[in-house]
Amino acid sequence: DVKVTQSSRYLVKRTGEKVFLECVQDMDHENMFWYRQDPGLGLRLIYFSYDVKMKEKGDIPEGYSVSREKKERFSLILESASTNQTSMYLCASRIRDKETGELFFGEGSRLTVL
Amino acid sequence: AQSVTQLGSHVSVSEGALVLLRCNYSSSVPPYLFWYVQYPNQGLQLLLKYTSAATLVKGINGFEAEFKKSETSFHLTKPSAHMSDAAEYFCAVSGPYSSASKIIFGSGTRLSIRP
Repeated sequence: DVKVTQSSRYLVKRTGEKVFLECVQDMDHENMFWYRQDPGLGLRLIYFSYDVKMKEKGDIPEGYSVSREKKERFSLILESASTNQTSMYLCASRIRDKETGELFFGEGSRLTVL
Repeated sequence: AQSVTQLGSHVSVSEGALVLLRCNYSSSVPPYLFWYVQYPNQGLQLLLKYTSAATLVKGINGFEAEFKKSETSFHLTKPSAHMSDAAEYFCAVSGPYSSASKIIFGSGTRLSIRP
């Protein structure tokens, strides 16, 4: 069974803290994504990676960075968390160069910044 | 540029009634269209997708969607709602030769089922 695993389902952090959200996939997919989900706004792409050490900014990269040191792992980093980053974060993966391929999602990490 | 609009942020139907969730897209190239479902406290999973083959697409759990180019629509239907269908549904669009990042999601429609 294919799997995308997000290490933390729920996190509570304070303003200014550094936050790491980890995502691991076991499907050998080249492409990995971080989305942010907010009510009424759907999913917005923060960053995506198409290979190890490769990354591209999505639609809302400000305040975030990412790391992909191994093919199976894609980390989202909030350098200095702010209250407006309180949200649900979804990691996804997809096989490369298959435009019709589906995204496989993790269960999400709900972050609250106080 | 591509975009997708889901009409109705919340739809409520009775158990056994028809489910209709609306999605309209905008695309300058032939689109690929997807419906994803998100059950409470879970990630999204693929319901069905249109990839320029048959215009009527059947998915999991009895859902289907019809691609109508003239109406730029890809509405999701199910003949008879079940309580387990309560979830949030997202329509998404991408296109041929687009980068993997260019998958555009709608704002979502929450489906509630009344007993």
